[in-house]
Amino acid sequence: KAGVTQTPRYLIKTRGQQVTLSCSPISGHRSVSWYQQTPGQGLQFLFEYFSETQRNKGNFPGRFSGRQFSNSRSEMNVSTLELGDSALYLCASSLGRGENTEAFFGQGTRLTVV
Amino acid sequence: KQEVTQIPAALSVPEGENLVLNCSFTDSAIYNLQWFRQDPGKGLTSLLLIQSSQREQTSGRLNASLDKSSGRSTLYIAASQPGDSATYLCAGSGSWGKLQFGAGTQVVVTP
Repeated sequence: KAGVTQTPRYLIKTRGQQVTLSCSPISGHRSVSWYQQTPGQGLQFLFEYFSETQRNKGNFPGRFSGRQFSNSRSEMNVSTLELGDSALYLCASSLGRGENTEAFFGQGTRLTVV
Repeated sequence: KQEVTQIPAALSVPEGENLVLNCSFTDSAIYNLQWFRQDPGKGLTSLLLIQSSQREQTSGRLNASLDKSSGRSTLYIAASQPGDSATYLCAGSGSWGKLQFGAGTQVVVTP
């Protein structure tokens, strides 16, 4: 069974640009969550989508946005990149219902802003 | 607001010794408690999920307990091996699957 796939694995962008990251969840999973990981702040929750609807949002500026498609694939967009956006971005998929919410993570996208 | 703390931040043990990793959380109204492993520069690998109605879970050399009343979870790794060297993270699941992570315990197992 295929795991969670994130593309691309690595990105280098310039300040002020925008970037789109992609996440394909495990087949049958309808929930996709996004996290930012930095050495200083650890893992921080960005947002969660279930059946194309954003159910939960973390404390990030509006430059961070996302969406989910009917096949449960999700994209995350960051506009007007800042140096501080350099991080490992991880997505997690789960069934998303009730107590059976074991989360499975992808390998992440390493974003470097220069 | 859920806060998750992991102690110690780092741990070094000789091969064969048992590992005990601690996780504490402030909000006992969590749904699940999940333990992960992360290798440098990689994603997270799920190790064990303890649902709120359970008190422990076991998988091979790993055993995790959950005590919601005291706000604690403990991960035991028996007979550690050099391949167990990694960062171990615990996370509490609250509303709509949002995971609140601890800062992790970095483990080094020396041959």
